[in-house]
Amino acid sequence: IQLTQSPSLLSASVGDRVTLSCKGSQNINNYLAWYQQKLGEAPKLLIFNTNILQTGIPPRFSGSGSGTDYTLTISSLQPDDVATYFCYQYNNGWTFGGGTKLELK
Amino acid sequence: QIQLVQSGPELKKPGESVKISCKASGYTFTNYGMYWVKQAPGQGLQYMGWINTETGKPTYADDFKGRFVFFLETSASTAYLQINNLKNEDMATYFCARAYRYVMDAWGQGASVTVSS
Repeated sequence: IQLTQSPSLLSASVGDRVTLSCKGSQNINNYLAWYQQKLGEAPKLLIFNTNILQTGIPPRFSGSGSGTDYTLTISSLQPDDVATYFCYQYNNGWTFGGGTKLELK
Repeated sequence: QIQLVQSGPELKKPGESVKISCKASGYTFTNYGMYWVKQAPGQGLQYMGWINTETGKPTYADDFKGRFVFFLETSASTAYLQINNLKNEDMATYFCARAYRYVMDAWGQGASVTVSS
């Protein structure tokens, strides 16, 4: 399964509602996770099984979707959210999307 | 607390081998699979495969069959990635990550491998 993330680069302001997209080449059956990677750091798990928030992750992060189309939403962007976000499917093999780099406007 | 601590940066020549370690602590090592992920400079994440820490059985993604070897030292709660016959395209940061039901929920800090003649 190939994963296509869009946009590849997103500029937004503090307080904005931000939506990142991840589209699979086949049905992912909700076996989708989102990771946040800050510059020079390891990825951090944010959400798994489409919409389950990992322990310790702020509730401004949420996930949704079904079939081939999935979304990560940040309800109110904070400066600490500047990072690259990767989706990851584990329904059929294991694949990462190409990433969306989120920056502050 | 849960920690995965990887070995330090490596500088190798083409054709050499490199062994990267990943020492786990803060949880029962054999209760979680150990995954390996490659990140080339400025690039995204690439799943390499995983090793079953109960049985020691490795599974490799197609792009990582042949020169890449996953193995364990279970008594030391440590997983290893060995790359043989290094090529320029192996230059990257390699992450280990524990996984439960295929979801990687804790990651090592990454180990960089530089390949240069």
